[in-house]
Amino acid sequence: QKEVEQNSGPLSVPEGAIASLNCTYSDRGSQSFFWYRQYSGKSPELIMFIYSNGDKEDGRFTAQLNKASQYVSLLIRDSQPSDSATYLCAVKRGNTPLVFGKGTRLSVIA
Amino acid sequence: DVKVTQSSRYLVKRTGEKVFLECVQDMDHENMFWYRQDPGLGLRLIYFSYDVKMKEKGDIPEGYSVSREKKERFSLILESASTNQTSMYLCASSLKGQGGGYTFGSGTRLTVV
Repeated sequence: QKEVEQNSGPLSVPEGAIASLNCTYSDRGSQSFFWYRQYSGKSPELIMFIYSNGDKEDGRFTAQLNKASQYVSLLIRDSQPSDSATYLCAVKRGNTPLVFGKGTRLSVIA
Repeated sequence: DVKVTQSSRYLVKRTGEKVFLECVQDMDHENMFWYRQDPGLGLRLIYFSYDVKMKEKGDIPEGYSVSREKKERFSLILESASTNQTSMYLCASSLKGQGGGYTFGSGTRLTVV
């Protein structure tokens, strides 16, 4: 059974701080890694993807991948109250369906 | 922008009814998926399709069927709705291949009474 594990939270950070969201996965053959943001009552939206070990930056967001440790993380710099949402980690191998974690709820306190 | 459109935002149906949830995408994506999302259980895959006329069972296909007669349209069918099928239903599409991240529709909140 392929699994993706995330701490459910809530993770509370003050406005302006760095939020660090973590994810581990069980399938060592996973090749693609995604982070989705889901606001309450809305559908998930893709914010980052990463395929290679290391860091990938996009604005205030940085995705980090360590395939040896089967670990993916998302850093949000200068966190804003509008970043308060549930963040879903998802992984896939080839053209198989994404396997999602249950998400981490982030709360940014003004 | 890729758009995935789900026909209804909210639906209320009676137990035993046959329910159709429609999903249409406009970016020529090969892959389409149906999930349900429930508090504490996360996203659970019901069915998916890699091509027209093709369908594959996901993790929780019982009580559901699907139809994909055209590339852009993927329908989820609840053969005989039950109260335990009350949920948020999410359709998604993606390109074929390793890099295919999903684009989700806005979701249908189905209540079965």
